[in-house]
Amino acid sequence: DAGVTQSPTHLIKTRGQHVTLRCSPISGHKSVSWYQQVLGQGPQFIFQYYEKEERGRGNFPDRFSARQFPNYSSELNVNALLLGDSALYLCASSLSRVRGTDTQYFGPGTRLTVL
Amino acid sequence: QQQVKQSPQSLIVQKGGISIINCAYENTAFDYFPWYQQFPGKGPALLIAIRPDVSEKKEGRFTISFNKSAKQFSLHIMDSQPGDSATYFCAACNSGGSNYKLTFGKGTLLTVNP
Repeated sequence: DAGVTQSPTHLIKTRGQHVTLRCSPISGHKSVSWYQQVLGQGPQFIFQYYEKEERGRGNFPDRFSARQFPNYSSELNVNALLLGDSALYLCASSLSRVRGTDTQYFGPGTRLTVL
Repeated sequence: QQQVKQSPQSLIVQKGGISIINCAYENTAFDYFPWYQQFPGKGPALLIAIRPDVSEKKEGRFTISFNKSAKQFSLHIMDSQPGDSATYFCAACNSGGSNYKLTFGKGTLLTVNP
């Protein structure tokens, strides 16, 4: 079975631009979470979606938004890009949100560079 | 405020040695503690996880030790191999919360010399 897939793999943008990152969860998984991983740091939680509804939001500005589609895939949007948004953006999927101990499976990430 | 503190930042061990990585947490609502392994260019992959109702969990060469009163947990890698060279992250989660976000430590870069 395919794991979590993310696109694009790499992306270069300039300050002020907008970016959309995409994630396809493992088949059968209904929960998708987004994390930001700055070089040399652990991943930071941005959003969790379950059944197309936002279930959690981390400490990120409103420039960050996301949505989940009926097929459970998800998009992360970032507006008005800043240099500090340069990071690896990780998507993780899990079977459900019924149990918090459901394993979160991470995709390979999208490397965003803001110039 | 960093809720999960991880040490050391980097670790070098010889092949066959024991690698030990430590983490401490502050939020007593955390009740699920996974460890993730990340290779360069890849996303983190779950290695082993523990709940605080047990003090130790072993899977192959990997063991988690958990001290609830001290709010500390550690990963032991026995018989470390060069293929274990990666960045290791501890994490914590409140499984009874409204969302199941993982709070990660800053990571430990492990290098196993042949």
